Amino acid sequence: QVQLQESGPGLVKPSQTLSLTCTVSGGSISSGSYFWNWIRQPAGKGLEWIGRIYTSGSTTYNPSLKSRVTISVDTSKNQFSLKLSSVTAADTALYYCARDALTYHSDGSGYSYYFDYWGQGTLVTVSS
Amino acid sequence: QSVLTQPPSVSAAPGQKVTISCSGSSSNIGNNYVSWYQQFPGTAPKLLIFDNNKRPSGIPDRFSGSKSGTSATLDITGLQTGDQADYYCGTWDSSVNAGRVFGGGTRLTVL
Repeated sequence: QVQLQESGPGLVKPSQTLSLTCTVSGGSISSGSYFWNWIRQPAGKGLEWIGRIYTSGSTTYNPSLKSRVTISVDTSKNQFSLKLSSVTAADTALYYCARDALTYHSDGSGYSYYFDYWGQGTLVTVSS
Repeated sequence: QSVLTQPPSVSAAPGQKVTISCSGSSSNIGNNYVSWYQQFPGTAPKLLIFDNNKRPSGIPDRFSGSKSGTSATLDITGLQTGDQADYYCGTWDSSVNAGRVFGGGTRLTVL
């Protein structure tokens, strides 16, 4: 059973960089057709996708956050990480890491993606 | 404002059926597969439906999904009080701002 666990500081000062790590257990981060994602949820609000990384290192980011986001992977530690720079109070949220299963459909309909495993989430508050 | 549109809330009595809609466009739902997630307060979302209408192992067949054009639907039959949660639809958006997108979420109340 794959498990994901977020870790990192729960409090970050405005203008600084938020750094979180997701540790994957129960399977190798390098195996299979999976993307590794960061998703956040402000209190009382909906889900916002931040970005994802493939084990090759290829990344895709939410265009609204792209200028401030870096996602990286460390296959030797079975971890992937998030850095979000120049944070403000608007970045205060519950941050989740999640695995994105990739399936190719041979009927010509292309690929499908779905988040099949999620971490429990870690609350990050931006405040001085 | 979310790319996908869901009703903020729905409600129904135990044993009844409820439908949650998710509306998008040709750049997202219209040309990509939809998944649905269930989230209880204080917990991480859980995959409920993938590839428009498939259930992961362990998800009861009371939950079903469908897609038509640029909209998707989650149906829950035989409602139970334990189904009271927030439900989110999600897919890929292939527009110039490509990426994963979610609906704003629907809170289900079982009366």
